[in-house]
Amino acid sequence: DAGVIQSPRHEVTEMGQEVTLRCKPISGHNSLFWYRQTMMRGLELLIYFNNNVPIDDSGMPEDRFSAKMPNASFSTLKIQPSEPRDSAVYFCASSRGTGTGGTQPQHFGDGTRLSIL
Amino acid sequence: DAKTTQPPSMDCAEGRAANLPCNHSTISGNEYVYWYRQIHSQGPQYIIHGLKNNETNEMASLIITEDRKSSTLILPHATLRDTAVYYCIVRGGDYKLSFGAGTTVTVRA
Repeated sequence: DAGVIQSPRHEVTEMGQEVTLRCKPISGHNSLFWYRQTMMRGLELLIYFNNNVPIDDSGMPEDRFSAKMPNASFSTLKIQPSEPRDSAVYFCASSRGTGTGGTQPQHFGDGTRLSIL
Repeated sequence: DAKTTQPPSMDCAEGRAANLPCNHSTISGNEYVYWYRQIHSQGPQYIIHGLKNNETNEMASLIITEDRKSSTLILPHATLRDTAVYYCIVRGGDYKLSFGAGTTVTVRA
């Protein structure tokens, strides 16, 4: 079975540019999560969607970050304008059900390594 | 979610069983024990989870003590590809996964 697919795997861009990260969740999963991982802060949840609807975006750092899920098989995380402190690995994960409760594991993609110069 | 304690690192010989301990003494009745691992440059990979009973799948076995205050992840025949950071997570109703420092497992030939 195909896992969570993220693109691009690596992105290097200059400060001020718009960055768009893409995610295709596992088919049949109706919860989708965007995480960010840095050495300093570890893994942080940015936003959580259930049935394509954003449920919790309290982890989104600031207005420069936005996320959409136009359908069950696609989501984007956009940063505009980008800053050097946004450099990190961004992971997308998906799970069945509501994502709450202990019974449904989240499955992660291999991430996008983002470098803002 | 309850906090977990894991040893920072451990070595294992290739072909031998790797036993990874985790303490979660403040776990509550509705919280599950989850194990993930992260191989360098890859995303976290789900391994196994359980509530009370021991669990086994194609990757590993999970042994949970009767009082549920600790658990052990067993990789039955470790290979070099099992070298990774292993995370023990206790998770109840929250959808947020909180990864601690984990155990860095190095499998040696």
